[in-house]
Amino acid sequence: GAGVSQSPRYKVAKRGQDVALRCDPISGHVSLFWYQQALGQGPEFLTYFQNEAQLDKSGLPSDRFFAERPEGSVSTLKIQRTQQEDSAVYLCASSSHRTGFTGELFFGEGSRLTVL
Amino acid sequence: SQQGEEDPQALSIQEGENATMNCSYKTSINNLQWYRQNSGRGLVHLILIRSNEREKHSGRLRVTLDTSKKSSSLLITASRAADTASYFCATGANNLFFGTGTRLTVIP
Repeated sequence: GAGVSQSPRYKVAKRGQDVALRCDPISGHVSLFWYQQALGQGPEFLTYFQNEAQLDKSGLPSDRFFAERPEGSVSTLKIQRTQQEDSAVYLCASSSHRTGFTGELFFGEGSRLTVL
Repeated sequence: SQQGEEDPQALSIQEGENATMNCSYKTSINNLQWYRQNSGRGLVHLILIRSNEREKHSGRLRVTLDTSKKSSSLLITASRAADTASYFCATGANNLFFGTGTRLTVIP
């Protein structure tokens, strides 16, 4: 497709369940970012990939959060043993630039996670 | 923690009026970007201003940057109801950090 695609759009999980969120970036985009957005807040940086290399994961809130991009294209954000505080919208963005700050990011519509 | 802070947090204006939003940031920058987010949607890039630029225009948007004060402003002229959204500034060194956003409501 022409844009960044995320799935699922909505996910309800029971506390303690594992979830996996998928991001298909724009074809050929080198950089990929994950953000977490709580209701009424700005996006908070989670992690950044350049091709398949995870260059920065300083924003991941705990070791329950894990992201991968094994072939430098599709990325998956996995959250193990979900907690209620994990409820948020998870946004994926991609960029054609090698470091995102030099150009615009293209965002997906997000995956809204609700943990009961 | 977030890099920037927008001000005001919320702004409500009549259609046709101008809307001004401000952003303050903490560290030195190479550029500053503004994004828009409609409710329940992803963010859309509006404009990028480089650190050596003071002002930039794009359609009804005007962005200014004052690196000495570490601040930027976004002006939307002749606002429309469709401009109703949240607006974020974003800066960063190796990745992009977003502010807390200004929620703009344009009343028809």
